[in-house]
This record gives sequence, C-alpha cells and structure tokens, in this order.
Amino acid sequence: DTAVSQTPKYLVTQMGNDKSIKCEQNLGHDTMYWYKQDSKKFLKIMFSYNNKELIINETVPNRFSPKSPDKAHLNLHINSLELGDSAVYFCASSQQGSNYGYTFGSGTRLTVV
Amino acid sequence: GQQVMQIPQYQHVQEGEDFTTYCNSSTTLSNIQWYKQRPGGHPVFLIQLVKSGEVKKQKRLTFQFGEAKKNSSLHITATQTTDVGTYFCAGRLGGNTPLVFGKGTRLSVIA
Repeated sequence: DTAVSQTPKYLVTQMGNDKSIKCEQNLGHDTMYWYKQDSKKFLKIMFSYNNKELIINETVPNRFSPKSPDKAHLNLHINSLELGDSAVYFCASSQQGSNYGYTFGSGTRLTVV
Repeated sequence: GQQVMQIPQYQHVQEGEDFTTYCNSSTTLSNIQWYKQRPGGHPVFLIQLVKSGEVKKQKRLTFQFGEAKKNSSLHITATQTTDVGTYFCAGRLGGNTPLVFGKGTRLSVIA
C-alpha cells in the first residue's frame, strides 16, 4: 500500500481554470504538508496542517487553499491558475515527536498552458 | 524568514571519488534532516540529527551536525552510480514549524 498517495500524477490545464490535487496518507500521521518544487528543484513549503493548526507560508498567493476533510487527507485547491503555477507539487506527512522524517507522495506535475 | 543555504548546487564526480554537500542555517536549528531525491522521483528521508556535534553513518554516508547546530554536512565515500540524485538538507527551528529545505545539491556520477 502506498503510504502517501497523490492524485492526479499529471495535470495539464489552461490559465484561469480552477483545479484540485488530492492527497491521502495511511500512516496515521498527525501532520500533513504541501510543498512546491519548481524547475530548479527548489522545495518550498506552502502549508502545514494538523487537526489543531494551519500554518500558511505568507508568500503563497491566496489562490491556493488547503482543504482537510479529516486527518488522513489534505487536498490542495488552486483558483485562477497562472503560468507560474507550473511545477511539481508534493504532499508529505509526518508524526510530531517522531525521529523519522517526512514521507512524501510521488508528486503531481502541474502544467498550465 | 528562516533560510537554509546549501552548497554546492551541482557536483560531478567520477565513480569512486568522494562527495560532500554542506548546509548552513542563519539560525540555530532544533534538528536537521537529510533527504535524497532520485531523478523523476520524490524526496526520501535519509536521517535526522538532533544533538550538537552529532555524527551518524549509514554505510558509505556520513552525516554531521555542527556544534552550534547551525550547519551540517553529508559525505559520501567512494561514490557509485546509484548515488545519483539531489541531496537536500532540511532544518527546523523547533516546535511545530515545518521543515525548511535547502536548495539541494545535484550529484552526477560518471562511470
């Protein structure tokens, strides 16, 4: 079973559209994250969320919004997509206080045309 | 905001040569983690360092955390083609703050 699964794996869409990326983890972790990786491979935190606290990177446009129906899911919704949103988006999860690091999903490659 | 600087950005080595990547933070870190991302893949957790001056080894990989807990290094002895990928350090100030990743070092190994 995949520990952190993201769908879709690839997403090609036109500018101005609204899209969502889904993420689910079956590790029982209490915290989930979204990271954006650009063409230069820089990994930038967008959001972290557990059932108590949402931490938002203030540089993330408010067109991006996380939605968490339960602790095993953290979806990413993007409004009015722009060309610059093209990147690979990684979902990850972790357990607070654990000596183990983040478990990443396989990524969603978003291309805005 | 907190920054984690990592150098070099790229490193090309002949198979069998050693490789080192360095990570520096502008602030003291509660812990530092290292990840490896193979081409086309996702970051995979390698190790976490917590204590000042800590050194950990995984086969040919040696990880160090500085005394001031502001810098770290990853050293690979006798690189192999399977070591190809991008190595990221990631630091955390403490509490529930998310990891801040360095920009990574992309390692190429020439057979």
